[in-house]
Amino acid sequence: DGGITQSPKYLFRKEGQNVTLSCEQNLNHDAMYWYRQDPGQGLRLIYYSQIVNDFQKGDIAEGYSVSREKKESFPLTVTSAQKNPTAFYLCATEGGFSGANVLTFGAGSRLTVL
Amino acid sequence: AQSVTQLGSHVSVSEGALVLLRCNYSSSVPPYLFWYVQYPNQGLQLLLKYTTGATLVKGINGFEAEFKKSETSFHLTKPSAHMSDAAEYFCAVRHDYKLSFGAGTTVTVRA
Repeated sequence: DGGITQSPKYLFRKEGQNVTLSCEQNLNHDAMYWYRQDPGQGLRLIYYSQIVNDFQKGDIAEGYSVSREKKESFPLTVTSAQKNPTAFYLCATEGGFSGANVLTFGAGSRLTVL
Repeated sequence: AQSVTQLGSHVSVSEGALVLLRCNYSSSVPPYLFWYVQYPNQGLQLLLKYTTGATLVKGINGFEAEFKKSETSFHLTKPSAHMSDAAEYFCAVRHDYKLSFGAGTTVTVRA
């Protein structure tokens, strides 16, 4: 069953802790993206990767880090430097039969900082 | 720089009534335009897209949108709302490798 798997779905973190959100895809898509969603602000791009071992900062990369060691995986680490990390995080891919320019989204991970 | 403005953060319609969601964009090049729908605590699902060609685009679930270059608009419509249309809707514009989203419009449907 092809798709994008984000885990965990819900995550609670204490201030000062780093946390890593997982994004795995079996769509064989080259490009992967991380977005942050806050109420009333739409989605904002954190990082994106067009190919393995390469990634670019998006509009709000400060306080976040990523890696792209495998085509299937694009984990996002929310570091203690991120001042307001409570948000809904969405991973997306692009490519394949869905067509160029069309993003396919995972179900999201909701991070709450206590 | 690309930007997207969705007019109205909340829209309430009666079941069976017209749904109209407004989207205006700014783009320095011919845009690729999209509408996505999001149900609570889920990811986004593509409703429709405009890249080139016919300016009236039909999507899933009976939705359609018209690209009007002169008005820099890409409004989303559905002739008759259904209860299942209650969701949040996002307009987006594509430039290079980036997709820029509007702030979203939440649609509620009254029985």
